[in-house]
Order: sequence, then structure tokens, then C-alpha cells
Amino acid sequence: NAGVMQNPRHLVRRRGQEARLRCSPMKGHSHVYWYRQLPEEGLKFMVYLQKENIIDESGMPKERFSAEFPKEGPSILRIQQVVRGDSAAYFCASSPWDYQTYGYTFGSGTRLTVV
Amino acid sequence: DQQVKQNSPSLSVQEGRISILNCDYTNSMFDYFLWYKKYPAEGPTFLISISSIKDKNEDGRFTVFLNKSAKHLSLHIVPSQPGDSAVYFCAASFGGSQGNLIFGKGTKLSVKP
Repeated sequence: NAGVMQNPRHLVRRRGQEARLRCSPMKGHSHVYWYRQLPEEGLKFMVYLQKENIIDESGMPKERFSAEFPKEGPSILRIQQVVRGDSAAYFCASSPWDYQTYGYTFGSGTRLTVV
Repeated sequence: DQQVKQNSPSLSVQEGRISILNCDYTNSMFDYFLWYKKYPAEGPTFLISISSIKDKNEDGRFTVFLNKSAKHLSLHIVPSQPGDSAVYFCAASFGGSQGNLIFGKGTKLSVKP
């Protein structure tokens, strides 16, 4: 019973390129969340998705960032025209509906480096 | 403005002793609090949670205490083990906003043998 799977683990992009981060939730989890962690900071909420729906994107930057969770396949966080400030660890988490009792299960993250 | 604060960046304790990690919050509307542990190069791992209607929740060696009047919660680990060495994050949520956990910056715990 695999946990939350994120790939790639490490991603290097040049400024102006696109970054695509993938997340497969735990089996049976239909809620997916993306968080970003800058160096020496806590995790910051970005977006909450259910299958084919964005529920809360209040933490997403207004430009260049988008997320989807299609009916089939993993959730994708896309960053267009990356800049150095996008360098961070991006964590995906999933949960069942009763997230308050069981918490979220986080993946190991994707470390994005923009050069 | 930080709504969830962990004012101690690091804590060092001796194996077998108690570790106490503290967390303060500013928003009285938070109704659920969670603690996560994180090892380097891994994602956070859920440890324990507490509802705002309770003042204590216990799970094995881990106990979380909530003092709503002081807007303060703490995580007690007894007895501490070297494998507990990690960064501990406190997080809070509003009941109506699933997904949006607000995290503190973390406290790095070192348990020395």
C-alpha cells in the first residue's frame, strides 16, 4: 500500500522553463493538497483539489502557477516561466474525508532548483 | 503576520528525558491543531492532533496539551529517544477550510544518547 508518491524528487530548471511536478495520492484518498516550503520556513498551503475540481486555491500565486487533478492520473502542479524565487521544496499530501482525525499523508517532496 | 508560531528553533534533550515542544497561535478561530515530524529529505509525518474542544490528547509516548485561554499548545514526548530527532511542526486549521493547514516554522529536536 504505497504512500503518496511524488516525482521527480529533484528537478532543475533554467529560468523561463516550465516545471511539472506530479503527485499520486494514497489509495483511497480523493483529496490532494500542495504545499511549498522555502528554506528555513514552514510549509505554506498552495491549493486543495478533489478529482476534476479545484476546491481552494487561495495560496496559489496569481500568475504562472496552475494545478489539476484529472479523473485519471496524478495531480500536476505546473509552474510556467520559472524564476529563481520558485526554488523550494514542493510537497503534496492526500487525505480521506476525515482529515482532522488522521491528518494528511505527505509525499517526500520535489525539490525544485531554478538556475 | 505569523498566525502559528514556534519560537524555539531548536531543542536538545537527553535520551529518556521529556521533550516539550511549544507552539503559540494568534487566531482564536482555529479549531483543530496537528503536530508533524519531519526528517531531512522526507515529507512531514502526522503525529497527533487535538480538537479545540479538548485540552489533552494522548497517543503512546506523545501527548498534546491545548490551553485555549493562552492560545498555546505543547507536544510532550516521554521518554525521548534518539530516533525522535527531527524537525517538529505545529499546524492549525479552521473547521470550514479543509486543506489549508497553517504551519509554524518548526523546532529542531535533538535527542542525545
